[in-house]
Amino acid sequence: LAKTTQPISMDSYEGQEVNITCSHNNIATNDYITWYQQFPSQGPRFIIQGYKTKVTNEVASLFIPADRKSSTLSLPRVSLSDTAVYYCLVGDSGGYQKVTFGIGTKLQVIP
Amino acid sequence: DAGVTQSPTHLIKTRGQQVTLRCSPKSGHDTVSWYQQALGQGPQFIFQYYEEEERQRGNFPDRFSGHQFPNYSSELNVNALLLGDSALYLCASSLTATNEKLFFGSGTQLSVL
Repeated sequence: LAKTTQPISMDSYEGQEVNITCSHNNIATNDYITWYQQFPSQGPRFIIQGYKTKVTNEVASLFIPADRKSSTLSLPRVSLSDTAVYYCLVGDSGGYQKVTFGIGTKLQVIP
Repeated sequence: DAGVTQSPTHLIKTRGQQVTLRCSPKSGHDTVSWYQQALGQGPQFIFQYYEEEERQRGNFPDRFSGHQFPNYSSELNVNALLLGDSALYLCASSLTATNEKLFFGSGTQLSVL
C-alpha cells in the first residue's frame, strides 16, 4: 500500500483558504485518495475521496494532478471549528481499510 | 439512523487484567474494523471482521482478539493488559461490497494503571 507524506502541522487565520498537500509517490493504478478529519476524543470523519482531477463537495475540494503522485485538500474560508487533524490515505477501494493512518496534519485555525 | 456506537466510552483497568470493548456498526454495514490510537498518533489498524471471520490483521500480538456476531456487531478483547495498551480504541464500519468510506465511532478510552 502506498505510503503518504504530509506536513505535521499548519496554522491559518479564520476566513482563509487552507491547502494541505499529501505526497504519495508509489500510488498504484487502483488506489483512491481519501481524506479524513479528526477532532480530539472522536473518531475520524470522512471528508472527501477522489481518483483523479478535481473533486468537490460541500466541505472541501480535492485536487489530484495527472501523475497522481500527490494530492491537495483545499478547505475554503476556514473557521475555528476546522481546527483538527487531517489524514491522507491512499489505497484500493476496499483494501485501504487496513491501512494504518499516518500522524496526519494538525491544522490550527487562529482567530 | 444510528451511526457506529461503541461501549463503554471510558474504562480503567490494571495491568494483567482483561477487557472487552463493544461496537455496533452503522445500519446496513457488514464489516467492522478496529483501530488503536495512542495519544498524538494516528489510528493503527488492529483487525477487520467480515462474515464473522477475521479477514485482515495488523501488527498486533495475539493478546488482541475479536469476534463478530450474526447481527454484524463486534467485540475487541485484550488479555494480559500492559500499560502500553492505554489508548483510544476506535471501531469503524463499512460495506465490503461497495467502495464505501469508513464510518468511525467515538471510541473507547482505555486507561491501564
